[in-house]
Amino acid sequence: AQRVTQPEKLLSVFKGAPVELKCNYSYSGSPELFWYVQYSRQRLQLLLRHISRESIKGFTADLNKGETSFHLKKPFAQEEDSAMYYCALLMDSNYQLIWGAGTKLIIKP
Amino acid sequence: GAGVSQSPRYKVAKRGQDVALRCDPISGHVSLFWYQQALGQGPEFLTYFQNEAQLDKSGLPSDRFFAERPEGSVSTLKIQRTQQEDSAVYLCASSPRDKAYEQYFGPGTRLTVT
Repeated sequence: AQRVTQPEKLLSVFKGAPVELKCNYSYSGSPELFWYVQYSRQRLQLLLRHISRESIKGFTADLNKGETSFHLKKPFAQEEDSAMYYCALLMDSNYQLIWGAGTKLIIKP
Repeated sequence: GAGVSQSPRYKVAKRGQDVALRCDPISGHVSLFWYQQALGQGPEFLTYFQNEAQLDKSGLPSDRFFAERPEGSVSTLKIQRTQQEDSAVYLCASSPRDKAYEQYFGPGTRLTVT
């Protein structure tokens, strides 16, 4: 069955330190993966898509089909990165997203 | 421009009451999605509209849940005879295309069933 797993409910790192938010997926089809972010008191918004291979706000994510992972990375965390981060998998239907439970990222000053 | 709006933002219902949650998508957006987000969980897909057609309602948890988008714009999610397990945040999102890329989310409606 299709599933997205974010093993860390909470991740706390110091400002300037590298950050990696883990995402693993289980899907028999061709995966397309996304990272969404929700800042405090704001709505969910798209951070990045694996297919676009771009860096947004210094974050990157590489799809590793061998390890079925799509980890989100940033080399130097900033305080404004504190937020909830959700990994999501797009099904072949192209309209149904399967979501992970989210990781709360706290950047300590 | 105006984003996706949802009303009410908060709703408290007594068990057994019916509720109606409204979503106003971004004007011109073809696709509309409803999600249910329980506390500490990610969103779970409920249903999908392409214009006025409800193409998938497989995520609706029971026949007490009903969604419509009669004119291809505003959508309403109705829950009949609410139960405590219906307590959650209900999110609406719209997309300019017939796919789930570029979803724009509303602020959500927090439903508490007492």
